[in-house]
Amino acid sequence: GAGVSQSPSNKVTEKGKDVELRCDPISGHTALYWYRQSLGQGLEFLIYFQGNSAPDKSGLPSDRFSAERTGGSVSTLTIQRTQQEDSAVYLCASSSLSSGGAYNEQFFGPGTRLTVL
Amino acid sequence: GESVGLHLPTLSVQEGDNSIINCAYSNSASDYFIWYKQESGKGPQFIIDIRSNMDKRQGQRVTVLLNKTVKHLSLQIAATQPGDSAVYFCAENWGNFGNEKLTFGTGTRLTIIP
Repeated sequence: GAGVSQSPSNKVTEKGKDVELRCDPISGHTALYWYRQSLGQGLEFLIYFQGNSAPDKSGLPSDRFSAERTGGSVSTLTIQRTQQEDSAVYLCASSSLSSGGAYNEQFFGPGTRLTVL
Repeated sequence: GESVGLHLPTLSVQEGDNSIINCAYSNSASDYFIWYKQESGKGPQFIIDIRSNMDKRQGQRVTVLLNKTVKHLSLQIAATQPGDSAVYFCAENWGNFGNEKLTFGTGTRLTIIP
């Protein structure tokens, strides 16, 4: 079956412009995560969705960042008035919902490389 | 704040030898740990995980060891192959049911020398 897909794969934008990044999770996965990876760094958590709601937005770096998820499937991460420090790879992951204390693997997409000039 | 870190940023190993990648964590409440492999231009790929109630778990050619006393995690890769060359991240989770955010270390680049 298809894995997590993200689009675009690369995005170059000018400082001050808005960008939208898209994530298509694995079909049936109820949990969706956004992470940011700066060059040579580990992954930084941004936001987590369970269905269409976001119980944890603690990682969003500023109010320029927002995300939504509709229909329990596709998610869009929007960055307004982009800054050069927003340049990074933005990764999306999804996982299925479990109960009883089981842990579920997060499957990652290939990421969107954002470059802000 | 709490963080996950790695002891070595780079590691070179002769093909066929075993490799060990280390990770230190500081959040004593973490109850789930994962190792990911990331190849160039790709998203992280799950390798192996371990719960805090275990101290060892084995997979195919990989073993994860957890020492809660010193808050240390390691990934052992046996009989390394060229395809093992990648960046390896440890990650920790302390959310309910694991369906919450992961905190990642900065990664170790493993290079397999043919």
